[in-house]
Amino acid sequence: DGGITQSPKYLFRKEGQNVTLSCEQNLNHDAMYWYRQDPGQGLRLIYYSQIVNDFQKGDIAEGYSVSREKKESFPLTVTSAQKNPTAFYLCASSIPGQGETLDGYTFGSGTRLTVV
Amino acid sequence: QKEVEQDPGPLSVPEGAIVSLNCTYSNSAFQYFMWYRQYSRKGPELLMYTYSSGNKEDGRFTAQVDKSSKYISLFIRDSQPSDSATYLCAMSAPGGYNKLIFGAGTRLAVHP
Repeated sequence: DGGITQSPKYLFRKEGQNVTLSCEQNLNHDAMYWYRQDPGQGLRLIYYSQIVNDFQKGDIAEGYSVSREKKESFPLTVTSAQKNPTAFYLCASSIPGQGETLDGYTFGSGTRLTVV
Repeated sequence: QKEVEQDPGPLSVPEGAIVSLNCTYSNSAFQYFMWYRQYSRKGPELLMYTYSSGNKEDGRFTAQVDKSSKYISLFIRDSQPSDSATYLCAMSAPGGYNKLIFGAGTRLAVHP
């Protein structure tokens, strides 16, 4: 079955620690995205990548970093510079140009990150 | 002012009721309008999309766009407990890569 796999489902981070969230897709989509979801707020775009080896900052990129070395994979690192990282993180993928118009995005099941 | 406004609810209705979910927006360039459904602790899934103005129907769901008022709606007829979820509107403008802008989501509970 084609889809997006995010891992882990739950993640706990200590203050000052970097953590990496995994996102893998087997949909053969070129475009991938990371969103953050907080209660009462819409999805906010952290980073996106339209093609391998290229990515762009979204609206709230500070304190986060990404890489896109393979088409299937788009890991997100939450660094210690992110002061309020507790949130639900969603990875998505799409066919470039069609995700925003016709087909929508395919989302993973998310990772809930909590700072302890 | 946010580009997309959506009342977060929660909205609680009895089974069988007609549900109306709404979003307003400020960017007149938006042409593509989508509704996503998100169950608890899951990622959103695309429910319906429309282009420009008009209505679109799919089973118990109807999406409406009124571009003159910058207002979109999702109607759910004969609502079921399985419809209990958060519904997010999303929209984008044409041309190149224009990101999807999401509303805050409305939490809906349909009780038997």
